[in-house]
Amino acid sequence: ETGVTQTPRHLVMGMTNKKSLKCEQHLGHNAMYWYKQSAKKPLELMFVYSLEERVENNSVPSRFSPECPNSSHLFLHLHTLQPEDSALYLCASSQERGGVDIQYFGAGTRLSVL
Amino acid sequence: GQNIDQPTEMTATEGAIVQINCTYQTSGFNGLFWYQQHAGEAPTFLSYNVLDGLEEKGRFSSFLSRSKGYSYLLLKELQMKDSASYLCAVRDSNYQLIWGAGTKLIIKP
Repeated sequence: ETGVTQTPRHLVMGMTNKKSLKCEQHLGHNAMYWYKQSAKKPLELMFVYSLEERVENNSVPSRFSPECPNSSHLFLHLHTLQPEDSALYLCASSQERGGVDIQYFGAGTRLSVL
Repeated sequence: GQNIDQPTEMTATEGAIVQINCTYQTSGFNGLFWYQQHAGEAPTFLSYNVLDGLEEKGRFSSFLSRSKGYSYLLLKELQMKDSASYLCAVRDSNYQLIWGAGTKLIIKP
């Protein structure tokens, strides 16, 4: 257990569906992240929240909408997705300590868009 | 652009030693991280290097040369459970993590 829990672990959705991914961290961290992981590609940072405010949005399509209601919870709302959005979506959290900012990851949600 | 290079796949024998290399070209440097990711599981933190030299942690060691833009992860006394992907990431001048695509390590008996 890494202290970061993601649900659901697997999700299959059609292109017209609306779904949400949930992430919860039990580590007392003040920053949370959404990443996309595709096969044989580097992790792509999608969104960063620090102290519940969005500080990063790396040109992610608007069909992905993040929400951070408090420092322990992070959501990724999905709508009108495309087949190329099929990937593993990872959530991470971190707390800077002495200049070192180690990210702790959840096990991810495996998303398939049909 | 920023780039992290690491081999796509490596194979090693149980009980042996393997070295996974990572070279990077980034705008600035504020530390290098190694993570381990078993199939279907979360990436887990292994090591952090910010100064040149070798950091040892049990069977795993990580080396950094900032002048060469180079790091390696050394795994000794390989066990079957070490079969996983190993991810290299560099924190750039904006404190963003730049990730490599990962090295899949296959351990054979």
